[in-house]
Formats: sequence, C-alpha cells, structure tokens
Amino acid sequence: EVQLVQSGAEVKKPGESLKISCKGSGYSFTSYWIGWVRQMPGKGLEWMGIIYPGDSDTRYSPSFQGQVTISADKSISTAYLQWSSLKASDTAMYYCARRSSYGHNFDYWGQGTLVTVSS
Amino acid sequence: EIVMTQSPATLSVSPGERATLSCRASQSVSSNLAWYQQKPGQAPRLLIYGASTRATGIPARFSGSGSGTEFTLTISSLQSEDFAVYYCQQYNNWPLITFGPGTKVDIK
Repeated sequence: EVQLVQSGAEVKKPGESLKISCKGSGYSFTSYWIGWVRQMPGKGLEWMGIIYPGDSDTRYSPSFQGQVTISADKSISTAYLQWSSLKASDTAMYYCARRSSYGHNFDYWGQGTLVTVSS
Repeated sequence: EIVMTQSPATLSVSPGERATLSCRASQSVSSNLAWYQQKPGQAPRLLIYGASTRATGIPARFSGSGSGTEFTLTISSLQSEDFAVYYCQQYNNWPLITFGPGTKVDIK
C-alpha cells in the first residue's frame, strides 16, 4: 500500500527555522516525483515545488523560489520542506503528494503538516 | 503563468441530483487537467486526470470532460459523501503547475 506519512504539527516563532518531512512507503521512492502544496487557513491549494528523489532534480513555483528549500534523502525514503526564517504568513497546512504515472497530477497525498507561526 | 478559474464558487445541490462544475484555463492546457476532491480536515483526493480518466477507485458517477480551455466535472447523482470542495489543476505548463480556486458543493 502506497503511503506518505508527514511529520507532526509545529508551532514556531517568526524568524525561526523549520524542516518538515514526508516519508514514502509501499512503492519505489526514487522513481516518483514528490511535490509540496500549501493550503492557508480557509483557502485553496497552492503548488510550491517538486523533487525527484532519484537524482534530487528540484523545481520551484516562482512564488516560492527562494522562500523554501525542498530536498530528499533517498536512503530513508523521505522528502523535506524547509524554511530558514519563518514568517507569520507561512502559517498553513502543508501537504506532500506523489506525482502519478500519468502526468504531473498527484495520486497519493500525505495527511498534511500544520505549521503555525506566531509570536 | 496559466490562471485557472472555477465556477460557481458554491453549488447547492440536493442528494440524488446532478452537479456540474466548470473549470477554465487562461490558455490551452490540452487535456492536461486533473480534478481533486477535498473534504474538511482531509487531504485532497485525485478524482480525474487527463481531463476525463477516472483515478483508481473513483466511482463511475464522477466524470470529466473538455479540452483546451474549458473543462467540466459532472457528478451524476450526488451522494452524501460527495459534499466537499473540488479543485481543478492544470499540469500542461510543467513545472508551473496551477490549481483553480475551488468549488464548494454543499447540501441544498
């Protein structure tokens, strides 16, 4: 069974750093792109970027380029999303999702990680 | 960037009725369009890809159509579990993937 399991909720202060994770299982982790999607409170879905764990090829949405870093450790089948300096506006639910075999849509999703940034 | 719009923002439907949701792209995305369902407190679920192909395990009451800039998701007979928010997503302009703002389907 394909699963993406994300790390737990985080509460941080502005200016702090953070790295959240997404562990894949039940499939060949290195053979599928993993994307990250933001959902701000009460809002829609925003695509942030995507990584191919097989060779760490990474692409970013222009809206998030330079704001976050996406990485992966294929030895432990885990993708990451990290911030070096959080802002209150980073408060959101973050989902990882696996790119399907049929184009750049997403067939399996993690359960989401809620990040709250507040002083 | 390709901008996706969805209409209506909210659709009120009675159980058993048909629901028709629209999605429009600011430029052609060919058939590179997907639909997702999201229920409160849950992650999105892939319903349709390639504009009209149902994802694994998706009931036949969900169907997608369209190509180019105009797309439709139809739910033939709404069940109680179908009340949710539905998003379209274009992936023609890789890697600049974009989602629509969503249509909320609620109980009339």
